Amino acid sequence: SAVISQKPSRDICQRGTSLTIQCQVDSQVTMMFWYRQQPGQSLTLIATANQGSEATYESGFVIDKFPISRPNLTFSTLTVSNMSPEDSSIYLCSVPGLIYNEQFFGPGTRLTVL
Amino acid sequence: GESVGLHLPTLSVQEGDNSIINCAYSNSASDYFIWYKQESGKGPQFIIDIRSNMDKRQGQRVTVLLNKTVKHLSLQIAATQPGDSAVYFCAENNSQGGTSYGKLTFGQGTILTVHP
Repeated sequence: SAVISQKPSRDICQRGTSLTIQCQVDSQVTMMFWYRQQPGQSLTLIATANQGSEATYESGFVIDKFPISRPNLTFSTLTVSNMSPEDSSIYLCSVPGLIYNEQFFGPGTRLTVL
Repeated sequence: GESVGLHLPTLSVQEGDNSIINCAYSNSASDYFIWYKQESGKGPQFIIDIRSNMDKRQGQRVTVLLNKTVKHLSLQIAATQPGDSAVYFCAENNSQGGTSYGKLTFGQGTILTVHP
């Protein structure tokens, strides 16, 4: 299994600012995923981050709002730009496991935008 | 930690009872269906999956049933324990021949509360 850590674990931010969330994995992985979990909701995939290429964004998510970096095989960042209260969510990163459908998730970053 | 299940369906059971959590899915082309468990303040944790050409799969204390006719998935937990209290999500994976590997579409989720 993979051990994933995220920083920060939570933050309270002002509208109009940006926050960068870090995701660190204890092993090298090709693919990393970023999800959003809005209050009382399920998880929605934001983008897939592959090392050495541009992230692939899902419908409804754009790079200008959620820029992603993937500098190496163990690390990725997601930035939430120009935040509004609607961006208040838990943001999670995940990596695939050895079992086809198993993904290991980080603990999440709980973001509150005032 | 703060609950993420404020608006999700709930299921309350007594310790030792069997629990059945249901999920409806929409994409008939999905290859796999998966159940995840999310405890408060943590990320989801894989429980069990089932391939689309199967209708039943058993794990340790859990059984997943798939009814493709009505696009319905269920998770049965035997002898439910207080440690099973969590939010349970179903998820679909449509690999599209491998081009969408790992991309999961999550269902709504159900809050399971087990009373001692």
